[in-house]
Amino acid sequence: QVQLQESGPGLVKPSETLSLTCTVSGGSISRYYWSWSRQPAGKGLEWLGRLYTSGRAIYNSSLESRVTMSVDASKNQLSLRLTSVTAADTAVYYCAREMFDSGWYYGMDLWGQGTTVTVSS
Amino acid sequence: NFMLTQPHSVSESPGKTVTISCTRSSGSIGSNYVQWYQQRPGSAPTIVIYKDKIRLSGVPDRFSGSVDSSSNSASLTISGLKTDDEADYYCQSYDSDTRGVFGGGTKVTVL
Repeated sequence: QVQLQESGPGLVKPSETLSLTCTVSGGSISRYYWSWSRQPAGKGLEWLGRLYTSGRAIYNSSLESRVTMSVDASKNQLSLRLTSVTAADTAVYYCAREMFDSGWYYGMDLWGQGTTVTVSS
Repeated sequence: NFMLTQPHSVSESPGKTVTISCTRSSGSIGSNYVQWYQQRPGSAPTIVIYKDKIRLSGVPDRFSGSVDSSSNSASLTISGLKTDDEADYYCQSYDSDTRGVFGGGTKVTVL
């Protein structure tokens, strides 16, 4: 079955760029839509954006100036870049498959286990 | 943009029923589908309800979802509570530009 695995550095310095990868195994990345969310310790979930396998993306308005999502279909991988990070970006970052049908999105049915990123000098 | 407001916590005894509300601050709750996720400590969220009221395959029928346009809210009801249901639950929907929005989450405690 399809599985997602996030990876990347666990520690990023303030003002630097956070870069994460999500590897999709067990199925083609091209058939679906993909999203990233994050969750600070002890807090709620925040949707970061959605990536279409065409390369187009839509982002959370509050992060739009700092976030970029991309896809490498040859590697079945998704990427997330977040620039100019601060301590407020410390969180568990998740990639997920987003369901879509007949013009409507209806949630994330498959999630990676998440990867913890700490922003600290 | 709008917010989805959930109670911070709810608690009930095993075998009883709990209902978690999710109120949309602006715009119609019916304008986009509402989903519900369960998240146990240290684990990723898992979807339990999508398209307002459809249970994902394998989710017990003790879980049900509904939408009430009069209160502009969605609800997740868990009947026949089990200790295994103890978790955080999040509602989620979309804005008019298809950007995702999560509620703040509700901690369900089974007494």
